[in-house]
Amino acid sequence: GAVVSQHPSRVICKSGTSVKIECRSLDFQATTMFWYRQFPKKSLMLMATSNEGSKATYEQGVEKDKFLINHASLTLSTLTVTSAHPEDSSFYICSAATRERETQYFGPGTRLLVL
Amino acid sequence: KQEVTQIPAALSVPEGENLVLNCSFTDSAIYNLQWFRQDPGKGLTSLLLIQSSQREQTSGRLNASLDKSSGRSTLYIAASQPGDSATYLCAVWETSGSRLTFGEGTQLTVNP
Repeated sequence: GAVVSQHPSRVICKSGTSVKIECRSLDFQATTMFWYRQFPKKSLMLMATSNEGSKATYEQGVEKDKFLINHASLTLSTLTVTSAHPEDSSFYICSAATRERETQYFGPGTRLLVL
Repeated sequence: KQEVTQIPAALSVPEGENLVLNCSFTDSAIYNLQWFRQDPGKGLTSLLLIQSSQREQTSGRLNASLDKSSGRSTLYIAASQPGDSATYLCAVWETSGSRLTFGEGTQLTVNP
């Protein structure tokens, strides 16, 4: 149990376009989802926390108009990178937690390359 | 602000060796501590979760310890195998249980 999927697993886009990444909890209800960004050979940096039905809470330095997060249901959260630029190229990982938040279950990640 | 440090950054050992990975954190008021494994280009696999009231957890060849007062955790891998080669990440939950702070990881290579 406790499987989290991400789609797509890999995406290449042109500079200036927008890209949407989906994060789904497949067999449990995720009241909270987290979005992380990881640079090569670096650790995961929390971008934002989203609770179902409410606005996401962004970490300091993360542009909320650049990285739009929607958590419309208990099993789906989306991250949209708007007007993507090459510096947005990175590995994006989501995680999901239940109401008890005893642990986070991580998705397999999405590699974004902006040309 | 919580900071998590992992030492060493990289480690290369021959197959069969026992090894220890270290993790330290600056704020001892943690909720949980968790060790993950990450293979290149992949997501995270949870290895062990230690609650703040616990001192250690074991799973197979892995043993993780937690000393909250000194802000340290260790991950012990017994009889290492080439399949153990990966990056190992340590992460701590803040007391609120609402966020994970990660270390930068230890890249382990086990040579056959």
